[in-house]
Amino acid sequence: GAVVSQHPSRVICKSGTSVKIECRSLDFQATTMFWYRQFPKKSLMLMATSNEGSKATYEQGVEKDKFLINHASLTLSTLTVTSAHPEDSSFYICSARGGTIANTGELFFGEGSRLTVL
Amino acid sequence: GQNIDQPTEMTATEGAIVQINCTYQTSGFNGLFWYQQHAGEAPTFLSYNVLDGLEEKGRFSSFLSRSKGYSYLLLKELQMKDSASYLCAVRARTGANNLFFGTGTRLTVIP
Repeated sequence: GAVVSQHPSRVICKSGTSVKIECRSLDFQATTMFWYRQFPKKSLMLMATSNEGSKATYEQGVEKDKFLINHASLTLSTLTVTSAHPEDSSFYICSARGGTIANTGELFFGEGSRLTVL
Repeated sequence: GQNIDQPTEMTATEGAIVQINCTYQTSGFNGLFWYQQHAGEAPTFLSYNVLDGLEEKGRFSSFLSRSKGYSYLLLKELQMKDSASYLCAVRARTGANNLFFGTGTRLTVIP
């Protein structure tokens, strides 16, 4: 199946700093990637849809100035958590829809990034 | 908007069969997915239904009734490794065809 790689898998930062998380599609081109956030024992909450070459589309309640998304190429999307605070600590997961694989529209997920803000 | 409901937790015995239900209300239905997620890991794809009926794949089967807004995931011959969260996700026929996830069902398999 399609492979999506996410980096870093774990990051610890001080309050007030910014953290960048990368999401790469390794063997296919992804014009659209999705960023999710997951709290402990909760399901995935869609944060935004990342579109290659254009602005991301944010879900209601997600601060676009807080969570900066850049989709500069067909294989890379980045999420930057700016001026991080402890309440931003969470598991962030990216996903992309496989190119020509079966066309079921299934999403392939990155490994996730666990952010801890001290 | 989308509204997706699943039981929060279930427990079943090794070797048994368990059915995890999912009900949904959505504007513009374009497919239903089931994902498995082990703690601290990314979700992995299990099944996809877009037409009514049962899709079988080894020990896992998924059923869909579009008229009732209802799906279930059936796990047979349960193994300890099946202990995980099972996420029901609905694809909406909007924009980028986003997937919207239910809260997930945490399944615990006991000996």
